[in-house]
Amino acid sequence: AQSVTQLGSHVSVSEGALVLLRCNYSSSVPPYLFWYVQYPNQGLQLLLKYTSAATLVKGINGFEAEFKKSETSFHLTKPSAHMSDAAEYFCAVSDQTSYDKVIFGPGTSLSVIP
Amino acid sequence: DAGVTQSPTHLIKTRGQQVTLRCSPKSGHDTVSWYQQALGQGPQFIFQYYEEEERQRGNFPDRFSGHQFPNYSSELNVNALLLGDSALYLCASSTLRGVNTEAFFGQGTRLTVV
Repeated sequence: AQSVTQLGSHVSVSEGALVLLRCNYSSSVPPYLFWYVQYPNQGLQLLLKYTSAATLVKGINGFEAEFKKSETSFHLTKPSAHMSDAAEYFCAVSDQTSYDKVIFGPGTSLSVIP
Repeated sequence: DAGVTQSPTHLIKTRGQQVTLRCSPKSGHDTVSWYQQALGQGPQFIFQYYEEEERQRGNFPDRFSGHQFPNYSSELNVNALLLGDSALYLCASSTLRGVNTEAFFGQGTRLTVV
């Protein structure tokens, strides 16, 4: 069975500081991995995805994530936080055979302090 | 391209009632998945429809049922509503044709059961 854990339900960073959101996954098969962002009262927007190509994945809004198989991790980073980055972030995993059922982590709420 | 559209955006129902939520997939997509997102949690997979049939199902009771129409749009029905059914219901569309096609999410329907 697949599962996702996100370390830290709330993360606060200063504007301009590094953003690091942690994600670890469990999967019995090679996974597809995703990061989604959710702004208040809105749906989910895909930030980036890993589909077994390059292990360093670049996404929208300056975010990137690195797939580390040995650590079963897919941490999300951004060099410099912006106020507009404040939102809920979800790491997710699905079966590599298709984009079937997506299993989401519990989410990390990111606050950006001016 | 209108993307994934869901209706209604909000609704309030009384415990014991029945509710129907609607979803129109992104143009070119033939698969619809439904998720329940309780407050402060990550989305949970309910079920997925393809070719008008339920293809996969998550751990939800039979009170949750769905339908997919020939134009690929979908409905989620919940019977005998409980207070615990209050949540944001998200629809995601994708296609099982081709490879590397991720799911696109709608803005969701906020259901409140009183």
